[in-house]
Amino acid sequence: ETGVTQSPTHLIKTRGQQVTLRCSSQSGHNTVSWYQQALGQGPQFIFQYYREEENGRGNFPPRFSGLQFPNYSSELNVNALELDDSALYLCASSWGSANTGELFFGEGSRLTVL
Amino acid sequence: QQQVKQSPQSLIVQKGGISIINCAYENTAFDYFPWYQQFPGKGPALLIAIRPDVSEKKEGRFTISFNKSAKQFSLHIMDSQPGDSATYFCAARSIGSQGNLIFGKGTKLSVKP
Repeated sequence: ETGVTQSPTHLIKTRGQQVTLRCSSQSGHNTVSWYQQALGQGPQFIFQYYREEENGRGNFPPRFSGLQFPNYSSELNVNALELDDSALYLCASSWGSANTGELFFGEGSRLTVL
Repeated sequence: QQQVKQSPQSLIVQKGGISIINCAYENTAFDYFPWYQQFPGKGPALLIAIRPDVSEKKEGRFTISFNKSAKQFSLHIMDSQPGDSATYFCAARSIGSQGNLIFGKGTKLSVKP
């Protein structure tokens, strides 16, 4: 069974740039959620994708957007990067739209914005 | 903003001791309460979870105690081991939230040999 994989693991961007983070869900999972984890904080929900559509969103501005592909992999895009966007971005997969809360997380992509 | 408040922020326990981490919530519409364990450089991993119709759940050395009337739940780690040293997060899921979890700020546990 393949777990959740994310890429890249680390990246550095400058303020105003755009970034795309990628996630492959665990085998058999059709739902992907994205979280932002600032240093020393708990993860914060960004949004969730089910069957290629966003079906839940946290308190994040529209410059945070995503996609889910037919193979259930997903992308997180962040435009107009700000310094406060520096964080660990976590992807989690699960099965079903009204999931049980049993999320399986990847190891994350650490983004540094200078 | 719905909140889950977690304490303590950090905890040091001797090997073999009991580690206790507490969480409190405000929203009564939460229906699922998981605990996650996170090692440095890794993503959070589900440790144990409970639903509000149960007051206690035990899995090995890990026990969740749930007090619905007080809106509190806690994680007990019995016979704590150095390998348990990690950051622990409690979380809660709102009914109809499409599965997003609201996390506490975490507790960094250090188990001394």
